Amino acid sequence: EVQLLESGGGLVQPGGSLTLSCAASGFTFNKYAMGWVRQAPGQGLEWVSAISGRSDITFTADSVKGRFIISRDTSKTTLYLQMDSLRTEDTAIYYCVRDWRGGITGIISDWGQGTLVTVSS
Amino acid sequence: EIVLTQSPATLSLSPGEGATLSCRTSQSVASFLAWYQQKPGQAPRLLIYDASNRATGTPARFSGSGSGTDFTLTISSLEPEDFAVYYCQHRTRWPYTFGQGTSLEIK
Repeated sequence: EVQLLESGGGLVQPGGSLTLSCAASGFTFNKYAMGWVRQAPGQGLEWVSAISGRSDITFTADSVKGRFIISRDTSKTTLYLQMDSLRTEDTAIYYCVRDWRGGITGIISDWGQGTLVTVSS
Repeated sequence: EIVLTQSPATLSLSPGEGATLSCRTSQSVASFLAWYQQKPGQAPRLLIYDASNRATGTPARFSGSGSGTDFTLTISSLEPEDFAVYYCQHRTRWPYTFGQGTSLEIK
């Protein structure tokens, strides 16, 4: 069974930093692209960033480009999202997601339960 | 960026009725469109990919159709567990954007 367990969310002040982690299990980690999708309170979905199974391709939304970095560690089967210069508009639930292939196809086959990031002074 | 517009925003129906949800894209996405279902307090889950392919575990009462810029998710006969929010999403090129969602409510 595929399991994606996010951690690292919390309250941070504007301008601050946070790193999200997603511990993956139940599948061969380096054979699947992964990503982060966020959902602001009561709002829709936004795909923030994606990374291929081999880490050779990454995509990042313009809204976070230059501030967020996605990475993965195959030995730890963990996905990361380093978030710097956080803004109030980054407040959201951040979902760790698994693509259904090793390349970034954009089809999300599995979702974690999400971790809440709140940016507020 | 490709913009996805879903209609209606809210749909109120009774169990047993059929439902038709629409998603229109600002540019052609060929058949590269998916539908997700989200229940309150839960993460979304994949229902349909590439316009008309049911994901593993998706009941047969759910069907998708369309290509180009106009897509439809049809639920043939609503079950109580189908009342949720539905999102469409394209995967033609990055950024892979979502529609704003259709809330399917019990009448």
